[in-house]
Amino acid sequence: DTAVSQTPKYLVTQMGNDKSIKCEQNLGHDTMYWYKQDSKKFLKIMFSYNNKELIINETVPNRFSPKSPDKAHLNLHINSLELGDSAVYFCASSQGFRVYEQYFGPGTRLTVT
Amino acid sequence: AQKVTQAQTEISVVEKEDVTLDCVYETRDTTYYLFWYKQPPSGELVFLIRRNSFDEQNEISGRYSWNFQKSTSSFNFTITASQVVDSAVYFCALSEAEYGNKLVFGAGTILRVKS
Repeated sequence: DTAVSQTPKYLVTQMGNDKSIKCEQNLGHDTMYWYKQDSKKFLKIMFSYNNKELIINETVPNRFSPKSPDKAHLNLHINSLELGDSAVYFCASSQGFRVYEQYFGPGTRLTVT
Repeated sequence: AQKVTQAQTEISVVEKEDVTLDCVYETRDTTYYLFWYKQPPSGELVFLIRRNSFDEQNEISGRYSWNFQKSTSSFNFTITASQVVDSAVYFCALSEAEYGNKLVFGAGTILRVKS
């Protein structure tokens, strides 16, 4: 019954590795997002997809690449991980790309050593 | 430019006290939306309320109430008779219609409710 789910919940990896975080929503929403929450709890949007089309792309290093195979999924792939990538990554979804409330997944805590 | 300021970094109260969390926003858009989210110690983000710029009516939901005042660009959140389960980080957020559904969050206010 989980509305927005993310896997894995925890991810510990070494610098230089490539990793992916998966997100799925069963709310029937057509817009999905990735947010990053840093160690000070500050939340910032990274990407947004509407119907598999990229509509928001904040100033994020090219090492981060979102992929949306369908409306219900938005995955985040990160290349050449750096220490500064350590954070909690939240996936979210909403009814549309106009201003609707967003429902968040449980978060993925990424630790880069 | 969009900006949300939550000046209270941390608030501690004793159970049953009322507490107000402040939120001040900046926007040049005439159409915008304000949100509050709760992040309990378990880490998930829980949607609490959405308000659009044309609706200044205050809202009450159980022990929660919100006061939206355009004149002071504020959207404050009050918890009446606080409970230990209210302990969490509370985020205020803003979205301008021009930028679609891009949420800009404040820094959050940590609320600690002691029994």
